[in-house]
Amino acid sequence: DAGVTQSPTHLIKTRGQQVTLRCSPKSGHDTVSWYQQALGQGPQFIFQYYEEEERQRGNFPDRFSGHQFPNYSSELNVNALLLGDSALYLCASSRQLSNQPQHFGDGTRLSIL
Amino acid sequence: GENVEQHPSTLSVQEGDSAVIKCTYSDSASNYFPWYKQELGKGPQLIIDIRSNVGEKKDQRIAVTLNKTAKHFSLHITETQPEDSAVYFCAASKGFQKLVFGTGTRLLVSP
Repeated sequence: DAGVTQSPTHLIKTRGQQVTLRCSPKSGHDTVSWYQQALGQGPQFIFQYYEEEERQRGNFPDRFSGHQFPNYSSELNVNALLLGDSALYLCASSRQLSNQPQHFGDGTRLSIL
Repeated sequence: GENVEQHPSTLSVQEGDSAVIKCTYSDSASNYFPWYKQELGKGPQLIIDIRSNVGEKKDQRIAVTLNKTAKHFSLHITETQPEDSAVYFCAASKGFQKLVFGTGTRLLVSP
């Protein structure tokens, strides 16, 4: 039973570019949440998707957007990249209304030059 | 919004000793408190969690306690082993929605 999978594992971009990160949830899960983890910090909530809609959003600018597909997989898009966007981007999946915990993938390490 | 503080930031113990990590939260409506272990190059892995209707939960060498009145919860690891070395994060949430994480504790267990 595959857990949460994320791609790519590493990515290098330059300022001003755009990036798309991908996440496949754990089997049986229908909800995907995205987190940003800066070096030496705890993960910060970006947003959560359920039924292909953004349900909750953290304190992140509109440059951060997402999408959820009918198969529950999800994408995180970041436009106009800034140096401060360099971080580990984590995807977590869960099953809505199940009162079960979120399971995390190993993340995508994004470096902005 | 919710704010979670975590202490200490680093903790060094000898193998076999106990380790305690403490967190406080600000939003009394939070009702779910997981603990995650993160190893180098990996994502956070859930090790134990507790819900607000329970005061204590134990799983082998790991236990978590919750004091709702004081709004703090703690992770206790007994008989520590070198493989317990990692960064540990506490988190809080309402209704299993967005998790608000603490700043992490780097635990080093020396043989």
